Amino acid sequence: EVQLVESGGGLVKPGGSLRLSCAASGFSFSTYSINWVRQAPGKGLQWVSSINSRSNYIYYADSVKGRFTISRDNAKNSAYLQMNSLRVEDTAVYFCARDGAGWSRDYWGQGTLVTVSS
Amino acid sequence: QSALTQPPSASGSPGQSVTISCTGTSSDVGAYKYVSWYQQHPGKAPKLMIYEVSKRPSGVPDRFSGSKSGNTASLTVSGLQAEDEADYHCSSYAGSNNLVFGGGTKLTVL
Repeated sequence: EVQLVESGGGLVKPGGSLRLSCAASGFSFSTYSINWVRQAPGKGLQWVSSINSRSNYIYYADSVKGRFTISRDNAKNSAYLQMNSLRVEDTAVYFCARDGAGWSRDYWGQGTLVTVSS
Repeated sequence: QSALTQPPSASGSPGQSVTISCTGTSSDVGAYKYVSWYQQHPGKAPKLMIYEVSKRPSGVPDRFSGSKSGNTASLTVSGLQAEDEADYHCSSYAGSNNLVFGGGTKLTVL
C-alpha cells in the first residue's frame, strides 16, 4: 500500500524557519517525482514545489521561490521542504504528493499544519 | 500563476447527476490535455478521481467522468450517493513546469 506521511509542522513566528519531512513507503520511492502542495485554511490547493527522482530537476511556485528548498534522500525514502523567511500567508496544511500520469498527483499524505503567526 | 475558476458550491439529490466546471485560459486548460480532478473529504487528503481530462484511476467508480471543451473542463458525477459529498478540486498543467489548481467546489448531496 502506498503511504506518504508528513511531519514537522507547527507554530512559527514570521521570518522563522521550519523543515517538513515526507516519509514514503509501499512503492519504489527512488523512481518517482515528489511534490509539495499546500492548502490555506478554507481555501483551495496550491502547488508549491516539485523534485524529480534524481534531484536534478527542481521547480518552485513563484510565491516561494528563494525562500523554500525541496530535497530528497532516496536511501531514506524521504523528501523534505526547508521553509525559510516564513510569512503569515504561508499558513497552510502542507501535503506531499507523488507524481502520477499526465501531471496528476496520484497519492497524497494526510498533511501537516504550518501556522505562521506572531 | 492564476488559479482556475470553480463554482464555490454544487448540489444534487441522491441518484441525480451533477456537473462541476473548471474554467482556465488558453495557456492552461485550453492548451493541454492534463486536467485532473481530486475529491477531498473534510480533514482528509485529496484523492485522485480523474486524470488527463477523462481517465479514471483504478478503483474510481465509473459514475465519475471528465471532459473538456475549450478553456473549460468539467467533472460529472452520475447517480449521486451520500458518500460523494465532498470538496472537488481541479488542476491543469500550465506550461513551464507549473501546475495550477482551482479554488475547489463543495458538493452537497441533498
